[in-house]
Formats: sequence, C-alpha cells, structure tokens
Amino acid sequence: EVHLVESGGGLVQPGGSLRLSCAASGFSFSSYAMSWVRQAPGKGLEWVSGISGSGGSTYYADSVKGRFTISRDNSKNTLYLQMNSLRAEDTAVYYCAKAERQWLGHFDHWGQGTLVTVSS
Amino acid sequence: DIQMTQSPSTLSASVGDRVTITCRASQTINNWLAWYQQKPGKAPKLLIYKASNLESGVPSRFSGSGSGTEFTLTISSLQPDDCATYYCQQYNSYLVLTFGGGTKVEIK
Repeated sequence: EVHLVESGGGLVQPGGSLRLSCAASGFSFSSYAMSWVRQAPGKGLEWVSGISGSGGSTYYADSVKGRFTISRDNSKNTLYLQMNSLRAEDTAVYYCAKAERQWLGHFDHWGQGTLVTVSS
Repeated sequence: DIQMTQSPSTLSASVGDRVTITCRASQTINNWLAWYQQKPGKAPKLLIYKASNLESGVPSRFSGSGSGTEFTLTISSLQPDDCATYYCQQYNSYLVLTFGGGTKVEIK
C-alpha cells in the first residue's frame, strides 16, 4: 500500500526558510515523478513544484520559482521542498503527491499534508 | 500557461439527481485531464484520469467525458457521500501543471 507522510511544517516569519519532507513507502520510489501541491486556507489547489523519478528534471510554478527548491533522495525514499524567502501568501497546507509515471502527470496518491504558516 | 476554468463554482442538488461539472482549458490539452474529489480536512482523491478513465475503486456513478478544451465530470445519481469539492487538473503541459478553481457540491 502506498503511503506518503509529510513533515516539517510550522510557523515561520516572513523572509524565513523551512524544509518540508515527504517519506514514501509501498512503491518503487525512483520510478515515479513526485510533486508538491499546496492549498491556502479556504482556497483551491495550486501545483507548486515537481521532479522526475530520477531527480534529473525539476519544474516550478512561477509563484515560487527562484525561492523554492525541490529535490529527492531515492536511497531514502524521501522527497523534499526547501522554501526560502517565505511570504505571507505561502501560508498553506502542503501536500506531496505521487504521479503515475516517471514524468509529471496526474496524481494517484497524496499525503495527508503539512501546514506552513508564514506570519510575524 | 494553460488556464483551467471550472463551472459552476457551487451547485446544490438532491439525492438521486444527475450532476454535471464543466472544465474548460485555455488551449487544447489532448485529453490529459484528471478529476479529483476533496472532502473538508482531507487530501484530494483521484476519480478520473485521461479525461474518461475511472480510477480503480471509484464508484461507477462517476464518469468523465470531453476532448480538446471542454470536459465534464458527471455523477449519474448523487449520493450524500458525494458532498465535496471537485477539481480538474491538466497535465498536457508537464512543465507546469494547473488545477481548476473547484466546484463545491452540496445536497439540497
């Protein structure tokens, strides 16, 4: 059974940094692309960033380009999101999501989410 | 970037009604479209992929159709458990993925 468990969320001041992790199990992690998707309080879903199964290709939404970095450690079955220069508008629940193939596509499994709050 | 527009944003229907949600893309997406269901406080759940393929385990009252730029999600007979928000997502452009704004489905 596929399990995705996010961690690392919390309260951070504007301009600060945070690193999210997503521990994966139940599937061949390196064979599938992964993404981070966020949801601001009371709002819709927003794709943030994605990474190919090998880790060789990364993709970002314009809203986070240059501030966030996605990476993965296939030996540890773990996905990361390094978030720098955080802004109030980055406040959201962050979900990690598994694609159904090596490159970005639709998401067949999701984690439970971790809340990031950017506030002074 | 490809923009996805969903309508309506909210709908209210009775148990047993046929419900249709529409998703329009700003350019053709070659059927690379998925539908998700999200209940309050929970992660989204995949319902439909490649416009019309039902994900394993999803009730057969859910169906997807469409092509090009216009797609629909249909619930053939609305059940109380279907109260949720529904999102479409395009993955034709795998450089940037985009979701629709969501449709909240309520029971009358």
